[in-house]
Amino acid sequence: EIVLTQSPATLSLSPGERATLSCGASQTISNNYLAWYQQKPGLAPRLLIYDVFKRATGIPDRFSGSGSGTDFTLTISRLEPEDFAVYYCQHYVTSPSTFGQGTKVEIK
Amino acid sequence: EVQLLESGGGLVQPGGSLRLSCAASGFTVSSKAMSWVRQAPGKGLEWVSSISDSGDRTNYADSVKGRFTISRDNSKNTLYLQMNSLRVEDTAVYFCAKPHWNYWADWFDPWGQGTLVTVSS
Repeated sequence: EIVLTQSPATLSLSPGERATLSCGASQTISNNYLAWYQQKPGLAPRLLIYDVFKRATGIPDRFSGSGSGTDFTLTISRLEPEDFAVYYCQHYVTSPSTFGQGTKVEIK
Repeated sequence: EVQLLESGGGLVQPGGSLRLSCAASGFTVSSKAMSWVRQAPGKGLEWVSSISDSGDRTNYADSVKGRFTISRDNSKNTLYLQMNSLRVEDTAVYFCAKPHWNYWADWFDPWGQGTLVTVSS
């Protein structure tokens, strides 16, 4: 099973600042099979990014994904008030598909 | 608009059973792979089970294998998760989600709003 480790656990930032979230994999993620989700309290996760860097429909371009191999990054260029949430990475290289433990982006 | 609506959650004793439903609208479940993903209170996401677009192949996490069964009723456009021999550690919000295309492993979009299952005596 591929283990995904996200860092930091919590990121305290102000609106307008840049957020950089990391996701490390225990094995190489082939074919760019990595996605990112945003989850707000009491709601379902929302797909942001798939295949490492492809934005899902309707996702603003302040969200971007990058990385390869075992190291991946989600960047939010300028935080908007609605971006404060928990973010998860997920691999889909093989079964079981697994998720990272999440990074909470909170208002400083 | 594609939507998924789960139901069937509730409080059940350890060892008990529960069946979750996920009603789809905006697409037909008979032609799509479908999945269940759960989230224990205050915890992260865990993939639980998936069914192929043809319906003849299923896949389960080791933690639920032999206890949970995924199925669908094409006439009702509904996905199910039959959960037997429930354990305290199965307590979670269960989300229905659509894999992009591959039931074996894929990204998920959209997701339902979730239904809470609580296993407690």
